[in-house]
Amino acid sequence: QQQVKQSPQSLIVQKGGISIINCAYENTAFDYFPWYQQFPGKGPALLIAIRPDVSEKKEGRFTISFNKSAKQFSLHIMDSQPGDSATYFCAASGAGRRALTFGSGTRLQVQP
Amino acid sequence: DSGVTQTPKHLITATGQRVTLRCSPRSGDLSVYWYQQSLDQGLQFLIQYYNGEERAKGNILERFSAQQFPDLHSELNLSSLELGDSALYFCASSAHPTGGSYEQYFGPGTRLTVT
Repeated sequence: QQQVKQSPQSLIVQKGGISIINCAYENTAFDYFPWYQQFPGKGPALLIAIRPDVSEKKEGRFTISFNKSAKQFSLHIMDSQPGDSATYFCAASGAGRRALTFGSGTRLQVQP
Repeated sequence: DSGVTQTPKHLITATGQRVTLRCSPRSGDLSVYWYQQSLDQGLQFLIQYYNGEERAKGNILERFSAQQFPDLHSELNLSSLELGDSALYFCASSAHPTGGSYEQYFGPGTRLTVT
């Protein structure tokens, strides 16, 4: 019930392309869904987050799409750049508990 | 820079030993979370403190303990260390544990190597 499943495990995209990472959750009590970006040797950095009352949130080149009925959410990175090459984690929290349950991560490589 | 600080950055110790990891949350944040990141287990929640009191426990071993002090910094104590405890340990802070702002900001982590 606490799992968050993330796919794909790794992703290679050409510069200027769209990167798409998907996550699915089981616990319907989750009410906060953030995405984190992590570079090697660094801590996870909050990228963008969504609450289930909206189906989409956009911040610059990053968009979260949320499908409450399917219990799925995804991160879209438009115009992907080599500097976006990092590991991306989806997460979820809720049910009176704010600790984050993380997906397994996606290693994104943007080729120039 | 998230505003969360962690020391030390690296720690190398032997099996059976005890270590203490330190975290200072962002200014004004009352809640501190500890997470462990390992290759096989991914990022896992260990324990949360809010304004000095334990608020939630995750997959924290009995050999591990934590506390949050009046100045809101937190320490994670790991004892009787085993090889499998080698991992990155992150601290995150947030303004409120429930309601309001849910954002958690992570520190740079402490890399623990047990030999």
